[in-house]
Amino acid sequence: DGGITQSPKYLFRKEGQNVTLSCEQNLNHDAMYWYRQDPGQGLRLIYYSQIVNDFQKGDIAEGYSVSREKKESFPLTVTSAQKNPTAFYLCASRSRDYATTRQFFGPGTRLTVL
Amino acid sequence: QQQVKQSPQSLIVQKGGISIINCAYENTAFDYFPWYQQFPGKGPALLIAIRPDVSEKKEGRFTISFNKSAKQFSLHIMDSQPGDSATYFCAAKEETSGSRLTFGEGTQLTVNP
Repeated sequence: DGGITQSPKYLFRKEGQNVTLSCEQNLNHDAMYWYRQDPGQGLRLIYYSQIVNDFQKGDIAEGYSVSREKKESFPLTVTSAQKNPTAFYLCASRSRDYATTRQFFGPGTRLTVL
Repeated sequence: QQQVKQSPQSLIVQKGGISIINCAYENTAFDYFPWYQQFPGKGPALLIAIRPDVSEKKEGRFTISFNKSAKQFSLHIMDSQPGDSATYFCAAKEETSGSRLTFGEGTQLTVNP
């Protein structure tokens, strides 16, 4: 069963704690992306990676960090520096060989800061 | 800075009616315009997409109309069904941006039976 998995589905965090969201894909895609979704604001890009061991900041990278040590994995850490972390987080991937640049999304992780 | 503006924010139509969602963009370097459909608690899924060299693309009940001079594009859902009730996002990609997508704010569509 190919696709993108995100875990956990729901995550609760106390203020001041770092937390890591998992994203794994078995589609053999080169590029991976992290988005944040808030009501009425669409999807905003946090970080993206086009190849292993390389990643770039998106539009709202402050308070977040990522790593890309393996092609299939792109974990996102929400640090205590992120002022308003409660949101729905979506991971996506794309094959660089796919002409239409279609991005495939995972099911998301809903993070709530208590 | 919002580069893709989407309207309306919410839309209610009757079963069998036509749903129309509009998007406008500013960046003339955008070269790919997809529409995504998202059901509650799920990730978005690609619905249909268009490139600026064509004015219309149709896939089943879903049609994208594209107006390059006006920098606008729209999604038309014909014969809308209750199962179409979802949030729809337009997006745009700039060729030189590493395939980053810029999304509109989303439209929550409700189709009443």
